[in-house]
Amino acid sequence: EAQVTQNPRYLITVTGKKLTVTCSQNMNHEYMSWYRQDPGLGLRQIYYSMNVEVTDKGDVPEGYKVSRKEKRNFPLILESPSPNQTSLYFCASSLSGGAIDEQFFGPGTRLTVL
Amino acid sequence: QKEVEQNSGPLSVPEGAIASLNCTYSDRGSQSFFWYRQYSGKSPELIMSIYSNGDKEDGRFTAQLNKASQYVSLLIRDSQPSDSATYLCAVKGPGNQFYFGTGTSLTVIP
Repeated sequence: EAQVTQNPRYLITVTGKKLTVTCSQNMNHEYMSWYRQDPGLGLRQIYYSMNVEVTDKGDVPEGYKVSRKEKRNFPLILESPSPNQTSLYFCASSLSGGAIDEQFFGPGTRLTVL
Repeated sequence: QKEVEQNSGPLSVPEGAIASLNCTYSDRGSQSFFWYRQYSGKSPELIMSIYSNGDKEDGRFTAQLNKASQYVSLLIRDSQPSDSATYLCAVKGPGNQFYFGTGTSLTVIP
């Protein structure tokens, strides 16, 4: 089944404790992206990647890191999480990031930082 | 100014009626436009995409794009209770970034 998977689905952590949220897709997509969704603010793009070793900042990259060492994986790293990073996170992928490409979303990761 | 703005609603329509959702965007260089549906606690799923001025129909859904007015809309005909969800307008900018509106909550009343 073609899908985007994220792990973990739920995470409660404490301020400053480094964490990684994994994202993997099995559709051979070139474009991958991370979003956060907050009430009243909608979905905001954190980082995106056009291909292996190519990443770019989205609208809200501060406090996050990403890497794209393999085409299928695009982990999101929070080196020192803070409470304002408590949010619902979605990973998405599309074939090439072209104008007509549909983005497929993962199931989401709900992160709470205490 | 936000990149993408939607009427936040909530919007309630009776079953069988037409639901009209609206979206405006700020960057005239935007390339393509998408409507996603998101059920509570779930991930967004694509309903429609549109790239050229005019109307695009798919079943009960019609997307309308007016680039001169920087306006995108989604019409849902014969609304069903299963259409009750939040609808997200998304715009692909001139680069490779995507911008989403805050969503419009739709309730279809049986």
